[in-house]
Amino acid sequence: GIQVEQSPPDLILQEGANSTLRCNFSDSVNNLQWFHQNPWGQLINLFYIPSGTKQNGRLSATTVATERYSLLYISSSQTTDSGVYFCAVPRNIQGAQKLVFGQGTRLTINP
Amino acid sequence: DVKVTQSSRYLVKRTGEKVFLECVQDMDHENMFWYRQDPGLGLRLIYFSYDVKMKEKGDIPEGYSVSREKKERFSLILESASTNQTSMYLCASSFGFWEQFFGPGTRLTVL
Repeated sequence: GIQVEQSPPDLILQEGANSTLRCNFSDSVNNLQWFHQNPWGQLINLFYIPSGTKQNGRLSATTVATERYSLLYISSSQTTDSGVYFCAVPRNIQGAQKLVFGQGTRLTINP
Repeated sequence: DVKVTQSSRYLVKRTGEKVFLECVQDMDHENMFWYRQDPGLGLRLIYFSYDVKMKEKGDIPEGYSVSREKKERFSLILESASTNQTSMYLCASSFGFWEQFFGPGTRLTVL
């Protein structure tokens, strides 16, 4: 099956720093999602990005489907950005799509 | 906004008990999913449903069953809870092949 790898596994930064998280996938995909898992465990949708670039405030994401990777950029980090960031790609199953998740990047923003 | 709710944030049960985890979505999505999340193993699909009364096994269905009697509600059932089912359970829903939205999660501890 498809493999999804995220890097780095851990990232520790000071407040105000910028960061880039990477997601590589082993097969062609028709979409990709980025999530932030908050300290209470909920997965918050950040981006649904099959290709190209999207921006939402301090966050932006770029997916290059032909080269099988996606990047998540966080600028001017805040302590509330801390948590685990996951990318996930779909696999078609019986009229729906199962998400295959990477192992996540744990981001810690220190004040 | 899409809203997915789960019946409990935290649950403690004893070995052998029958456990029901409930998930409700308010966006008329036809697809609903149950995942579990474990350290080192990531998120894995247990079961999904693509229509009322329809269900399909995911990657790790053993020890679980599901019920979908109404479109908005998808229940995960542990017929006889065991300690290896202690985990974080996440419900999600989607419309067709579009992005999935997750509930807040249920942390289940089986003693």
